[in-house]
Formats: sequence, C-alpha cells, structure tokens
Amino acid sequence: GDQVEQSPSALSLHEGTDSALRCNFTTTMRSVQWFRQNSRGSLISLFYLASGTKENGRLKSAFDSKERRYSTLHIRDAQLEDSGTYFCAAEASNYQLIWGSGTKLIIKP
Amino acid sequence: GALVYQYPRRTICKSGTSMRMECQAVGFQATSVAWYRQSPQKTFELIALSTVNSAIKYEQNFTQEKFPISHPNLSFSSMTVLNAYLEDRGLYLCGAEDGNTEVFFGKGTRLTVV
Repeated sequence: GDQVEQSPSALSLHEGTDSALRCNFTTTMRSVQWFRQNSRGSLISLFYLASGTKENGRLKSAFDSKERRYSTLHIRDAQLEDSGTYFCAAEASNYQLIWGSGTKLIIKP
Repeated sequence: GALVYQYPRRTICKSGTSMRMECQAVGFQATSVAWYRQSPQKTFELIALSTVNSAIKYEQNFTQEKFPISHPNLSFSSMTVLNAYLEDRGLYLCGAEDGNTEVFFGKGTRLTVV
C-alpha cells in the first residue's frame, strides 16, 4: 500500500545549526502536514501544504509540486525548544492520512 | 478558526474495563473523522475512518467490536475502547476534516491500563 518514508529517524544538533527532515512517498500524495510532538505527547501542527512552500519563523516546509512524492522540513538556527519528535503525514488519493515514522530531534546547548 | 476538542486528555482504566473518548469539531463541518493510536515509542496508526452517511471503515487489526465509533453529526465523534488491556495503552488521536482542507487534530487522549 501507500507508504511514507521519513528520515532521519533521529537527529542531534547543537543550538544555532540548521537541519532538514524529509518524507518520501511511494505514490503521489494530495497534501502533506508536518507536526511536532512534545515530551508530553501533545501534537502541534506546523504546516499544511497542498503544494509549494510555506515558511514560519525558523521553519520552512516544501512539498514537491511536480510529482508530489516528497516533502521537506527545514529548521534554521535550531533552538532548545525545537526538541521533540517530528512527524509528517500525507494525504493519499483515497483521502487517507498516512503517517511517517517520526524523527526524534534533540537540540543540545 | 477550526478547532477539534478531544477529551478526556488522560484516563486510567482497569484491565478488562472500557473507556470512551470524544471529539468535538468547532468552526467547520467534520464530514470525515479518523481515529488513530500511537503506541509507546511508535508512530500513529489508523484505527478507522468515519464519513457521515457512509459506513465506518476499520483498518486491519482493528474491529468495530473492540473500537466502536459513533459519528452522529458533523460536529461530534466518539470512540470506545472495549475490554482494554495492556496492549491498548497509548495516545489516541482524532482527526477531522470537511473534505476540502487540512485535517485538524484533537490534543489526544492518553490511555493507561492498569
């Protein structure tokens, strides 16, 4: 079936550095959402993209508009509060949301 | 704006008992509601997708007998975990959409089974 491959599974960064997370889709997706889950389990919605790119502060996300088979999340100037587990979730052609396996991000001082 | 309220946020139930969780959509019409479970240290798995005026579709490994869902109108959905056991523990999440926009999620219900 349709799958979402998220990478990396874990990432450790120092404050002030930049990083990128990626989700590859085995098939064309209608849209993608990115979330951060904090240590208490709460899910925070970061971006919803049907195409193109969106930027919010130090975060920027892109969804491949041509083939719609990957999305990226860029974190610029990482801060301690960026720590958490990041998930992408893509909407397949049958409207079902398929989740990536998550990226555990640790920001070190 | 569009919001989904999910409650309770946390619950503890004795092994073999049941618990119910609810989601309320505000600011949009929840024509579709999906319920997910995140087991400890894992990603989210789809339990079932409910669309108003259609049959509820359960994923493999999940059944209506174990996770009955109600979706009576465009603003409310509930799911019950029947006869909960240790393997049912985790974070349960509802996601709702009106078919034209992103999926809006509740904050989740964390189930602990003792």
